[in-house]
Amino acid sequence: EIVMTQSPATLSVSPGERATLSCRASQSVSSNLAWYQQKPGQAPRLLIYGASIRATGIPARFSGSGSGTEFTLTISILQSEDFAVYYCQQYENWYSFGQGTKLEIK
Amino acid sequence: EVQLVESGGGLVQPGGSLRLSCAASGFTFSTYEMTWVRQAPGKGLEWVSYISSSGTTIQYADSVKGRFTISRDNAKNSLYLEMNSLRAEDTAVYYCAREDIEGQDIWGQGTMVTVST
Repeated sequence: EIVMTQSPATLSVSPGERATLSCRASQSVSSNLAWYQQKPGQAPRLLIYGASIRATGIPARFSGSGSGTEFTLTISILQSEDFAVYYCQQYENWYSFGQGTKLEIK
Repeated sequence: EVQLVESGGGLVQPGGSLRLSCAASGFTFSTYEMTWVRQAPGKGLEWVSYISSSGTTIQYADSVKGRFTISRDNAKNSLYLEMNSLRAEDTAVYYCAREDIEGQDIWGQGTMVTVST
């Protein structure tokens, strides 16, 4: 089983600033990495797949990078609607999620 | 509108069984792979099971292997999860999700399963 570890658990950032979220895989997942956003009471929403490709309809302020075992999700200019929990997911060997990073308003 | 709607959740005693359903609409269900993902209260996401478009390839998380069975009826545009020998740790919101080349791109609203006496 591939274990995904996200850091930090909670990130406090002010609107208009940049947020950088990290995800590490216990073994290489190549570029088979996705990011999801989840707001309270809602289903997850696909943001990024293939480590760096924005899903349909996702704003350009969201960007993903990395390959192998180290990945980053960057939100360039935080909007109020971006405060949520973010999960990374590998699909190299079936699926597994990280434990999530809660992005909160500073 | 592309949509997934789960149903079948509820309260069940430990050791009991439950069958979840996921009704698909707005897309050609038979051409898509599907997955079940769950989320325990206040916790993160956990992948549960996968089924290919034809139903010939199936996979389960170790935590549910031997107890849960995924299936689909393409004629009815429906996905199912048969859950047996339920445990307290199976308590969660269960989501069905469509698999696209982009990833799990469409999710249902979820159905709550509570395993308790």
